[in-house]
Amino acid sequence: AQTVTQSQPEMSVQEAETVTLSCTYDTSENNYYLFWYKQPPSRQMILVIRQEAYKQQNATENRFSVNFQKAAKSFSLKISDSQLGDTAMYFCAFIHLNAGNMLTFGGGTRLMVKP
Amino acid sequence: AAGVIQSPRHLIKEKRETATLKCYPIPRHDTVYWYQQGPGQDPQFLISFYEKMQSDKGSIPDRFSAQQFSDYHSELNMSSLELGDSALYFCASSLVGITEAFFGQGTRLTVV
Repeated sequence: AQTVTQSQPEMSVQEAETVTLSCTYDTSENNYYLFWYKQPPSRQMILVIRQEAYKQQNATENRFSVNFQKAAKSFSLKISDSQLGDTAMYFCAFIHLNAGNMLTFGGGTRLMVKP
Repeated sequence: AAGVIQSPRHLIKEKRETATLKCYPIPRHDTVYWYQQGPGQDPQFLISFYEKMQSDKGSIPDRFSAQQFSDYHSELNMSSLELGDSALYFCASSLVGITEAFFGQGTRLTVV
């Protein structure tokens, strides 16, 4: 079974600063994808960034980037130039391609961006 | 662009009643997933469908059933509701072979 662990229940950051959210996962498989989803107060689940396990290069999407350490099974999210609209719950998630495309989520990290 | 549509957005039911949640996937998406997110919890996978057939099953109670129809919309039927069924129910859709799933806005079910 796959597990996803987010060790930081809550974090805060000043506007315009950088913050890193941690995520570790456990799997014995090689063919998988990792995701970060954002859930703002509206409760909508929004995909932030995606990483294919076979790619060594870390994914980036504008102010969002990941540090993917496959051997360590670590997948952290860095948010640069934090904005007030980044305030949300952030979920790390995992898909194992050979066992269906259902997402396994971590417990989430609540991020508060302070003005 | 069209997104995943879920209805209703909010639903209040009494214990032991039945509820039906509906999900309309993004046009041309052939796969639908249902997730349950309890208060303060992460979403848990319930069940998925591909081309109208159940493809995977997660932690879905026997009191719940779901199906995908010929127009690809899906319905989650929940019977003998319990207080613990109160949660946000998400539907997501994707194209087979594409890992990115798009979520609807969820249906908030409250059982009283």
